[in-house]
Amino acid sequence: QVQLVQSGAEVKKPGASVKVSCKTSGYTFTTYGVSWVRQAPGQGLEWMGWINPYNANRDYARNFQDRITLTTDTSTSTAYMELGSLRSDDTAVYYCARVFYDDSPLDYWGQGTLVTVSS
Amino acid sequence: DIQVTQSPSSLSASVGDRVTITCRASRNIRPYLNWYQQKPGKVPKLLIYAASTLQSGVPSRFSGSGSGTDFSLTINSLQPEDFATYYCQQSYISPRTFGQGTKVEMK
Repeated sequence: QVQLVQSGAEVKKPGASVKVSCKTSGYTFTTYGVSWVRQAPGQGLEWMGWINPYNANRDYARNFQDRITLTTDTSTSTAYMELGSLRSDDTAVYYCARVFYDDSPLDYWGQGTLVTVSS
Repeated sequence: DIQVTQSPSSLSASVGDRVTITCRASRNIRPYLNWYQQKPGKVPKLLIYAASTLQSGVPSRFSGSGSGTDFSLTINSLQPEDFATYYCQQSYISPRTFGQGTKVEMK
C-alpha cells in the first residue's frame, strides 16, 4: 500500500533552518511528484511547492521562493523539504503528499510534521 | 496568483441534510478543482478531483460539479462522520492554491 512517512516534530529558533523528510513506499517513486503543504495552528492549508523525482524539476510558491529547497533521494524513495530563515509564523504542521503530476490532486498524504519556531 | 474563495466559511447541519459548498476561482481553471476533507487532528483526505470525479473509496453521497470558475461540493444525506472541514484546491496553475475551508458543524 502507498505510504508516506514523515520525520518527527522539530523545535527551532528564529533564523534557523529545518529539514523534513518524507519516506515513500508502495509505488514507483520516480513516477509521481511530491508536493508540500503546510497548516498553521487553527488555519487552512497552504501549498508550498512540488518536485518531480524523475528529473528534479521543481516549482515553489512565491511566498517561499527564497527560503525553501525541495530535494529527493531516489535511492531511498525519500523527499525532503528544507525551509530556512524560520520565523515564528512558520510554526505549522508540514505535510508531504503524492501527486501524479504538478496539476494533479494530492492523493496520498504523509502524517504531518509539526515544526515549532520559538525563541 | 489564482484566488480560490469558498463559501460559506462554516455551516450548521443535521444528519440527513443535503449540504452544498461552493468554490469560486478568480480565473478560468477548467476542471482542475479538487476537494478534500479534514477532520480535527487528522490528515486531509482527497474526496473529489477534476471537479467531479470521486476518489476511490469515497462514498457516493459526495459529488462535485462545475468548470471554469464556479464549482460545488454536495453531500447528500449528511452522515455523522461527515462533520469536518472541507477545502477546495485549484491545481490548474502554480501556486496550487487552496480555499480557506468550510467547517461543517452539527446543528
